[in-house]
Amino acid sequence: RKEVEQDPGPFNVPEGATVAFNCTYSNSASQSFFWYRQDCRKEPKLLMSVYSSGNEDGRFTAQLNRASQYISLLIRDSKLSDSATYLCVVNMTALIFGKGTTLSVSS
Amino acid sequence: NAGVTQTPKFRVLKTGQSMTLLCAQDMNHEYMYWYRQDPGMGLRLIHYSVGEGTTAKGEVPDGYNVSRLKKQNFLLGLESAAPSQTSVYFCASSYGDSSYEQYFGPGTRLTVT
Repeated sequence: RKEVEQDPGPFNVPEGATVAFNCTYSNSASQSFFWYRQDCRKEPKLLMSVYSSGNEDGRFTAQLNRASQYISLLIRDSKLSDSATYLCVVNMTALIFGKGTTLSVSS
Repeated sequence: NAGVTQTPKFRVLKTGQSMTLLCAQDMNHEYMYWYRQDPGMGLRLIHYSVGEGTTAKGEVPDGYNVSRLKKQNFLLGLESAAPSQTSVYFCASSYGDSSYEQYFGPGTRLTVT
């Protein structure tokens, strides 16, 4: 049973588009949630934590639905520099990483 | 402030050879981790450490050993490399447990032939 599932994509969008990624997790005891960003052949870096009430950081909005065990990431006004793989990460005493969703933003 | 560094960046081994990957962090973090990342898989935890002198197994510990003799260093050893250990290895560190942000090193690309 996969613990953290993401649509691998790729999502190909033009600059300025709004794009949303979804993630589901299997363990209802999961304690905290994150989105990490990984550029090609680079290390993952924290994009944002995901809080129960939902949170926003500039063009990025993250939401958590504990009842449905579902996390989302919304990117508004996409930039070329947003092209990367976005990793959904769930903390269940250790971090469990999804396989990632690839975003490609084109001009 | 270099953050998390890893040595070496690339390595090719023959089956049965041994090697040690070195991870160093200058952020005075207590927790350190070793992950591997394979195509089509998420990052998987190999071993981790919650402080100097302590280590614990993660999800995929077989074939690997670790040591944390100094707070700033976390070593990953492969005693007898196998082709299945071909992967990208990432080290990470965090101030506290896994509810804290993890800072990753640049990775080591290991090929076992």
